[in-house]
Amino acid sequence: KAGVTQTPRYLIKTRGQQVTLSCSPISGHRSVSWYQQTPGQGLQFLFEYFSETQRNKGNFPGRFSGRQFSNSRSEMNVSTLELGDSALYLCASSLAVGGQETQYFGPGTRLLVL
Amino acid sequence: AQKVTQAQTEISVVEKEDVTLDCVYETRDTTYYLFWYKQPPSGELVFLIRRNSFDEQNEISGRYSWNFQKSTSSFNFTITASQVVDSAVYFCALKILTGGGNKLTFGTGTQLKVEL
Repeated sequence: KAGVTQTPRYLIKTRGQQVTLSCSPISGHRSVSWYQQTPGQGLQFLFEYFSETQRNKGNFPGRFSGRQFSNSRSEMNVSTLELGDSALYLCASSLAVGGQETQYFGPGTRLLVL
Repeated sequence: AQKVTQAQTEISVVEKEDVTLDCVYETRDTTYYLFWYKQPPSGELVFLIRRNSFDEQNEISGRYSWNFQKSTSSFNFTITASQVVDSAVYFCALKILTGGGNKLTFGTGTQLKVEL
């Protein structure tokens, strides 16, 4: 079974631009979560989607948004990029939402904002 | 609020040594899940183990073992006879059952370097 895939793997943008990252979950998984990883703040939860609905959201500004499609694929968008948005963005999928569900992560998208 | 502390920022060992990575967590929830993930230089987080708050049995998987102690809120990870391929950043994470969905709260990670 194929794992979680994320595209693109690397991205360079300039301040003020916007960016869209894509995540395809493991086949059959309906929950997708996004995390931001930076050297200063570590791994931080962005948001979670299940059945095309946002179920949970972390403490990030409104510039960060996401959505999920009927095939469970998810996208996240960052508008008006800032230098501090440079990070590794990780997507994780699981079968459903709830306690014993294990999340499996993709390889991430490395975003550099200049 | 939930919190996970990994006090060891970096550990260096020589191959074949045993090494223990510490993890201390905080939560007021009585039902929760603890995880360990490995992050090699490629960046992908690799799932290692999940443990729920009602199961304090230690677990061994090959050279890996985990010690969960609710009394001290710790979930430590030991690698026996370490190998160079074990070099990576290891993260401990916590997930609560009530209202948390699938949100994981991560520790800051421990960089393990295994040298020949």
